[in-house]
Amino acid sequence: DAGVTQSPTHLIKTRGQHVTLRCSPISGHKSVSWYQQVLGQGPQFIFQYYEKEERGRGNFPDRFSARQFPNYSSELNVNALLLGDSALYLCASSLQGALSYGYTFGSGTRLTVV
Amino acid sequence: GQNIDQPTEMTATEGAIVQINCTYQTSGFNGLFWYQQHAGEAPTFLSYNVLDGLEEKGRFSSFLSRSKGYSYLLLKELQMKDSASYLCAVHIISGAGSYQLTFGKGTKLSVIP
Repeated sequence: DAGVTQSPTHLIKTRGQHVTLRCSPISGHKSVSWYQQVLGQGPQFIFQYYEKEERGRGNFPDRFSARQFPNYSSELNVNALLLGDSALYLCASSLQGALSYGYTFGSGTRLTVV
Repeated sequence: GQNIDQPTEMTATEGAIVQINCTYQTSGFNGLFWYQQHAGEAPTFLSYNVLDGLEEKGRFSSFLSRSKGYSYLLLKELQMKDSASYLCAVHIISGAGSYQLTFGKGTKLSVIP
């Protein structure tokens, strides 16, 4: 079975540009969450989507947006990139009501803003 | 606000037992996860506790006390491959049906021969 897949794996962008990160959840998982992990820190919650609706949003500026498609894949968009947006962006999928299986994370997209 | 504390670093000897503690102060508590993360890789699920007590899974055990806001992860028969960061994460549910994980900063465990 394929796990959570994210693309691209690495990305280098210039300040002020925008970026789109993509995530495909495990088959059957309808919930997708996005996290930002800065080096040496734990992941920070950005968004949760369930059944194509935004269910939760973390403490991130409006430059961050996301959406979920009918096939439950998701995109994270970041506009007007800042140096501080350099981080590992993780996508996690889960089976609602089956938390004992945990959230499964993708390998992440390493974004570097120069 | 949400606050999760765990030690920054720990060192233990191969074959030994190590306990990684986590204390939390959160609202909307809906369980506690432990994840393992090797450098440059994604976090991988180790355990989930929603009720008080000990959950055992092979060499790994996790304990939860909701009244004390306290959890620990116990690793037995340490192996070199257990060198990694261990993340304590509280599962939070909010009014709009939102679920999220709030992570601690992670404990970097080094296993030495």
